[in-house]
Amino acid sequence: GESVGLHLPTLSVQEGDNSIINCAYSNSASDYFIWYKQESGKGPQFIIDIRSNMDKRQGQRVTVLLNKTVKHLSLQIAATQPGDSAVYFCAENIRYGGSQGNLIFGKGTKLSVKP
Amino acid sequence: ETGVTQSPTHLIKTRGQQVTLRCSSQSGHNTVSWYQQALGQGPQFIFQYYREEENGRGNFPPRFSGLQFPNYSSELNVNALELDDSALYLCASSQPNRVVGTDTQYFGPGTRLTVL
Repeated sequence: GESVGLHLPTLSVQEGDNSIINCAYSNSASDYFIWYKQESGKGPQFIIDIRSNMDKRQGQRVTVLLNKTVKHLSLQIAATQPGDSAVYFCAENIRYGGSQGNLIFGKGTKLSVKP
Repeated sequence: ETGVTQSPTHLIKTRGQQVTLRCSSQSGHNTVSWYQQALGQGPQFIFQYYREEENGRGNFPPRFSGLQFPNYSSELNVNALELDDSALYLCASSQPNRVVGTDTQYFGPGTRLTVL
């Protein structure tokens, strides 16, 4: 069935280190992927996205890697800061027929940054 | 800030009641999606509206219904509330790029609904 899952439910890193959050998806028809950050009491905040015709995309301090062969997505955060502490979700966009599609979210990974 | 606003922030209802949640989209966005997020879970897609028409629906019963208005603001209505409806309800607005194939959805802060 359609699902987006995360390999590590919690991740604790030292301030200044790099963080890697992994995500597995199951639907090969997914053509667009987004990483969101959600802080306590807030809605998900867009971080970075990637289309299925790409395998890497970089933003400010963040990089998303997409491996369609093994249906794996990862988010890399460089020089992790305390403000990066949050729950991170990957989401895949699945289109049905001619419709726009919807986002399928996983459960999330909680990132804790130790000072 | 995403420019997406939701009201109310918090709401307490009793089982069997009806509730209406509201969302104001980011300027220029013609698509709004609603999600339910249970505690400790990822958001679950309820439905999407595009130009005032329902444009996709997740696995939610008909007592979950919605509206989108000409100014692209939106409502989520839930009838006959059940205890399991307690959750954070999120709306997200977007301006899909059908040529490029992207639909970046920007979320509001959510409405926390508690059903007693």
